[in-house]
Amino acid sequence: SQTIHQWPATLVQPVGSPLSLECTVEGTSNPNLYWYRQAAGRGLQLLFYSVGIGQISSEVPQNLSASRPQDRQFILSSKKLLLSDSGFYLCAWSLAGNQPQHFGDGTRLSIL
Amino acid sequence: GESVGLHLPTLSVQEGDNSIINCAYSNSASDYFIWYKQESGKGPQFIIDIRSNMDKRQGQRVTVLLNKTVKHLSLQIAATQPGDSAVYFCAEAPFGNEKLTFGTGTRLTIIP
Repeated sequence: SQTIHQWPATLVQPVGSPLSLECTVEGTSNPNLYWYRQAAGRGLQLLFYSVGIGQISSEVPQNLSASRPQDRQFILSSKKLLLSDSGFYLCAWSLAGNQPQHFGDGTRLSIL
Repeated sequence: GESVGLHLPTLSVQEGDNSIINCAYSNSASDYFIWYKQESGKGPQFIIDIRSNMDKRQGQRVTVLLNKTVKHLSLQIAATQPGDSAVYFCAEAPFGNEKLTFGTGTRLTIIP
């Protein structure tokens, strides 16, 4: 069966520090991969998605970036974090478009 | 722009009763619809999905109804249990689209 792993579960970072969140999927090949951010009590905002290695689509302008160095690895990065980057970051995978997306348990990021 | 919205932000239901969570969408090209359950501190969990060529789909204790005429989607949960307490999100995507557009969520509280 397929599983998705995100780490760390929680992270506290100072303003201006770099960020690297990692997501890996097991049990499937060539999945679609997604990064979302969820503000407290709100819905999910799609940040990036990828349909293959090295293919990244950005949905919102921001100081975050994403990379997919391997088929089942998706990384969310920032060179300098802002206070507004605080939130709950979720990674998801799907077999294709118009298929269920399956989510990891998220990383809660607090910027001080 | 296109949006997916919910009629009610909160819903309280007596344990054992049926719950109905509603969702309105505005994108006439929407072809794929999905419901998620999110418990506190966790990622969304897939419940059930439906495509535009169907009006109804049933799962274990859940039924999704789709009314394309009025662009309305609902999730019915039968015989609600305390474990059903969570935030429920609907999401949609046009045919062949890799991305889901999420609604803002409804918080379901089960009263013992």
